[in-house]
Amino acid sequence: EVQLVESGGGLVQPGGSLRLSCAASGFTFSSYWMTWVRQAPGKGLEWVANIKQDGSEKYYVDSVKGRFTISRDNAKSSLFLQMNSLRAEDTAVYYCASYENSLLAFDYWGQGILVTVSS
Amino acid sequence: SYELTQPPSVSVSPGQTASITCSGDKLGDKYASWYQQRPGQSPVLVIYQDTKRPSGIPERFSGSNSGNTATLTISETQAMDEADYYCQAWDSSTVVFGGGTKLTIL
Repeated sequence: EVQLVESGGGLVQPGGSLRLSCAASGFTFSSYWMTWVRQAPGKGLEWVANIKQDGSEKYYVDSVKGRFTISRDNAKSSLFLQMNSLRAEDTAVYYCASYENSLLAFDYWGQGILVTVSS
Repeated sequence: SYELTQPPSVSVSPGQTASITCSGDKLGDKYASWYQQRPGQSPVLVIYQDTKRPSGIPERFSGSNSGNTATLTISETQAMDEADYYCQAWDSSTVVFGGGTKLTIL
């Protein structure tokens, strides 16, 4: 069974940092692009970042460029999102998801983790 | 930047057909995917590559994509179909989601 489990969320002050983790199991993690998607309270889905299988390519939404860094550890089947200089507008549930190349879509999603940026 | 536009809400009576549109410049030249998100749950892929259904998704769900518009069609709607639906496409190496459509089963 495929599982994606996010952790590391919580309450942080504006300007602070947080590191999200996503533990993957049930599939060959190293063969998949991975992504972070967020959803602000009561709002829609917003793509945040992608990372290629070997970590050689990374892409970000403009609003997080220079502040967030996506990374992965294939040996530990784990995905990460380092979030610095956090702002109130970064408050959201953050989902990790796997990208299935044969489907050209995101086929598995984690349960999501809440990040709240507030003083 | 590329944008996908969806109607905020669609309402249908049980058993009727619901159609949810997603508009974007030359969207028909890209592949569209659709995700269902029930309240308090994570998104679930219901349509990929414009028209294909993942295993486990009922045949009632179908999709199309041509010109500037992709459409998710749900036939014989049931109470369990009440959810938010998001279209998604790729623009170069970035991902774009539509704003989402709340489907209400009256």
